[in-house]
Amino acid sequence: QSALTQPRSVSGSPGQSVTISCTGTSSDVGGYNSVSWYQQHPDRAPKLMIYDVNKRPSGVPDRFSGSESGNTASLTISGLQAEDEADYYCCSYAGGPYVFGTGTKVTVL
Amino acid sequence: EVQLVESGGGLVQPGGSLRLSCAASGFTFNNHWMSWVRQAPGKGLEWVANIKQDGSEKYYVDSVKGRFTISRDNAKNSLYLQMNSLRAEDTAVYYCAKYYGSAFDYWGQGTLVTVSS
Repeated sequence: QSALTQPRSVSGSPGQSVTISCTGTSSDVGGYNSVSWYQQHPDRAPKLMIYDVNKRPSGVPDRFSGSESGNTASLTISGLQAEDEADYYCCSYAGGPYVFGTGTKVTVL
Repeated sequence: EVQLVESGGGLVQPGGSLRLSCAASGFTFNNHWMSWVRQAPGKGLEWVANIKQDGSEKYYVDSVKGRFTISRDNAKNSLYLQMNSLRAEDTAVYYCAKYYGSAFDYWGQGTLVTVSS
């Protein structure tokens, strides 16, 4: 049950695109189409942004998109906005248990 | 409106016990897996445990196996986490979360557990 690996930080200017990677193993990310992504602002509860690799819940802007290749999932934020500055976590089903990523801080320059 | 309200957090000495509760409303509780997720101060999210709709399946992160027990009372729309033999590294905000498929679509506001002498 090792945490999924994410970059510590990514940054971009308003309007640009940023991509966050999430690397696991064949026992989690690569074994199931069950990766989700969460946005967390300081002192707030996490918010679901993407589920089942690439599905967006109602109300989440289409600027947020997800994908997966092998044991690595990715979250792309297009047209970066100031309110997108937050921590982002991936999470994968692992056959019963779940495992979160290490988290990535997105900074809007 | 879906609401998840955690309670039961507080300060406890190492080796002590605490029972967290999560009161759910706004959805059919017994139709959903439920989970506890924690976040140590300044750290990332860590999945702790989950429980099937009828309580027949439970899973735990390795670090809490044998010390924590997840349970639910569908008649009371409530989720619980019994935490025994607490350690300093269990200090965290504990969130109750509702499953939608294999994702957590609703979260509570969290309850802080501090393990310290």
